[in-house]
Amino acid sequence: AQSVTQPDIHITVSEGASLELRCNYSYGATPYLFWYVQSPGQGLQLLLKYFSGDTLVQGIKGFEAEFKRSQSSFNLRKPSVHWSDAAEYFCAVGRNNAGNMLTFGGGTRLMVKP
Amino acid sequence: ETGVTQTPRHLVMGMTNKKSLKCEQHLGHNAMYWYKQSAKKPLELMFVYSLEERVENNSVPSRFSPECPNSSHLFLHLHTLQPEDSALYLCASSYDSHTQYFGPGTRLTVL
Repeated sequence: AQSVTQPDIHITVSEGASLELRCNYSYGATPYLFWYVQSPGQGLQLLLKYFSGDTLVQGIKGFEAEFKRSQSSFNLRKPSVHWSDAAEYFCAVGRNNAGNMLTFGGGTRLMVKP
Repeated sequence: ETGVTQTPRHLVMGMTNKKSLKCEQHLGHNAMYWYKQSAKKPLELMFVYSLEERVENNSVPSRFSPECPNSSHLFLHLHTLQPEDSALYLCASSYDSHTQYFGPGTRLTVL
């Protein structure tokens, strides 16, 4: 069975600082990998996804993520955090079987200090 | 409207009530999903419909009953719920096995 671990439940960074959110997955085949962001009381918005090809993926709002097969990781990065980035971030792994069944990590709540 | 919409956005119900959650997608997708998001628990996949047929049911109690009358609409019928069913219920849609797009969710409180 597939699983996703986000080791950091909470992270606080200063505005303008760089950010890296960790995601580790367990899956027997080549995974589909996603990062979503959720603001309070809202649904999930897709930031970026990896299906195949270039292992460095660019997303919206200046985010990027790198797929490292050897480390089973798909960490999310941003060079300079803005106060509006404060939200909860979810990593997910999908399998291609009768619809894209996603397994989500527990989420990382990001707080941004002024 | 565009994207995935959900109504109502907030719902309070007693344990003996019957209510329904509605989801509508305007993206031309052919698969739809219900998720449950509880505090301090990962997002849980409840049901998946592909081409209007249910293809996944993750051991969800029978007090939750999904319905997918067409590829654009998905309902979750609720009856005799328990307080522990209080959560954010999220709907999503996708085209085949591609990316899922989520609605804003319905915040359900069971008294």
